[in-house]
Amino acid sequence: NAGVTQTPKFQVLKTGQSMTLQCAQDMNHNSMYWYRQDPGMGLRLIYYSASEGTTDKGEVPNGYNVSRLNKREFSLRLESAAPSQTSVYFCASMQDRRTVTEAFFGQGTRLTVV
Amino acid sequence: ELKVEQNPLFLSMQEGKNYTIYCNYSTTSDRLYWYRQDPGKSLESLFVLLSNGAVKQEGRLMASLDTKARLSTLHITAAVHDLSATYFCAVDMKSNYQLIWGAGTKLIIKP
Repeated sequence: NAGVTQTPKFQVLKTGQSMTLQCAQDMNHNSMYWYRQDPGMGLRLIYYSASEGTTDKGEVPNGYNVSRLNKREFSLRLESAAPSQTSVYFCASMQDRRTVTEAFFGQGTRLTVV
Repeated sequence: ELKVEQNPLFLSMQEGKNYTIYCNYSTTSDRLYWYRQDPGKSLESLFVLLSNGAVKQEGRLMASLDTKARLSTLHITAAVHDLSATYFCAVDMKSNYQLIWGAGTKLIIKP
């Protein structure tokens, strides 16, 4: 079982460069999420998609855009990377809130912006 | 705004001892999660707690939820080194699909 797959696992960007983080899940989940994790701050939600065709801002959306390409895939784009976006990014998926299930996480993308 | 506070944020303990991690949250919620994260790894679900008085146990870990006090606890019994990790609680926002996360408790268990 692949679960939630994120690519790439590591990335170094120069300030101002752009990149897209890819996420795919094979569990037929409706909801997908992008989080960033910074030391001592837990996880903060960037964007989420409650279902295919919808996306919404989370707690820290500035500087990011997302696309829910289909039910399986949810990508996160940094249009002009800044050092403040250095972080570990996690994609997660969940069936939906009506069911009693937990969120499943990808392995993370460690991004450094220099 | 929902806030989630964990304490302690760091805990170093000896094998064989018992200890409790606390998770307080600021507004009404009916669902709370506990996750484990090993260094450099992803997050692994431990427990989902749904109702007041809910208690779940897995091995040496036991989690409980008191929705009236807005408090969840994660109790470790007779700790072993393999339980060293960072533990997070997350609270479900009823109004949308968001989970609000605590800062995590880094647990180090010394042989």
